[in-house]
This record gives sequence, C-alpha cells and structure tokens, in this order.
Amino acid sequence: DVKVTQSSRYLVKRTGEKVFLECVQDMDHENMFWYRQDPGLGLRLIYFSYDVKMKEKGDIPEGYSVSREKKERFSLILESASTNQTSMYLCASSSLGQGAGDTQYFGPGTRLTVL
Amino acid sequence: EDKVVQSPLSLVVHEGDTVTLNCSYEVTNFRSLLWYKQEKKAPTFLFMLTSSGIEKKSGRLSSILDKKELFSILNITATQTGDSAIYLCALSAPNAGNMLTFGGGTRLMVKP
Repeated sequence: DVKVTQSSRYLVKRTGEKVFLECVQDMDHENMFWYRQDPGLGLRLIYFSYDVKMKEKGDIPEGYSVSREKKERFSLILESASTNQTSMYLCASSSLGQGAGDTQYFGPGTRLTVL
Repeated sequence: EDKVVQSPLSLVVHEGDTVTLNCSYEVTNFRSLLWYKQEKKAPTFLFMLTSSGIEKKSGRLSSILDKKELFSILNITATQTGDSAIYLCALSAPNAGNMLTFGGGTRLMVKP
C-alpha cells in the first residue's frame, strides 16, 4: 500500500513565523504535490515536483516555496506566515507513468492555523 | 485554462436513496478524469476514466464519462451513512508531473 505521511496533523503558528511542512512517501514515486484546501474552493495546487531538485509552480505559489532534496521527501515552506495561509494542506504523490501515474495518493493533511 | 465544475455543491439524502454527482470540464488536451472520496482526512481514489461510454463500477458506486459533452457522473445507489463525504472530480492533461485540476467538490450527507 502506498503511504504518504505528513509531519503534523495540526499546527498553530504566529504571523511572520517561518513554517515547514514535511511530506514523505514510501513508494518511490517521481511526482509529489502540495495543495491547499479551503471551503468552497476545492483543492488548489501550490507547487509540484517531478524529480529531485525539480519544482514547478502550481496555481497559487505566492507566499510559498518548496524543497525536494531527496526523492521521498517534499517540503513546503511558508517564509513568513500570514493569516490568509490558514488552511488544510495536503501532500500527494504519483508515479511517472501515464494512466496509472494520474492517480495521486494523498497524505492525511496538516491543518495550519496562523494567528 | 483547464476548468472543472462540480454540482451540486452539497446534497443531503436519506439512507437508501440513489444520488448522482456531476462533473463538467473544459480542457485543452484531455487524458483522464478521476474521482476521489474525501472523508475526514485524505482523499482516496475511486475511479479513473479515460474513454467515453464505458462504465466503471465498484460495489454501489459507478461512474461514466462523456467526452463529447465534456462531463462525468458518479452514481451511488442504496446510499449508506458511510457514504457521507466530499466527492472530488479531477482532470488530468498531458503535462510535466501528472498535474491534476480539481473541481470544488460535492459535499454529500446521508442521513439515517
């Protein structure tokens, strides 16, 4: 079974703090993704990575950065957290192949509150 | 820009009812359409559809794609309280990293 884990289920931070969200997958997947999910807006892609050290901006990258130093780990960084970044953050991974690679496997999510 | 629209936004039914969830899309290059179920935490994969008119079925859930009219439906028959969840539709187009475009989701609540 594919397993995607995220470092924290719940996180509370203050405005201006630097925040690290970590994601680890154990299926040797090439692709990894960070989404945020807000009521009424669905899942929105922040960044994705299709290889180590490679990253691509998604729909809403502003205020975020990412790091992929190892294949299994994809980190999301909020350089200076703001209240509008309060959200549920979901990490996902998928394999490279077409078809089967479309299926993304999700972690349990991190609910981040910025005060 | 690829776009996915789901309807209804939310739905409340009683156990035993049949529901149909809708997903319409606009895409430049279609590859597949996926359905996910999200309960309290991570979305879990339900179906992947690539061809028109071929029904995918899993127990009481089924889904079909119409590539001419650009929509998909997810049917749930004999609903149970355990079907209460957000159902997400996502579109895959050929691009780097197998990026998905998600719809806003349909929140289904099944009352006993």
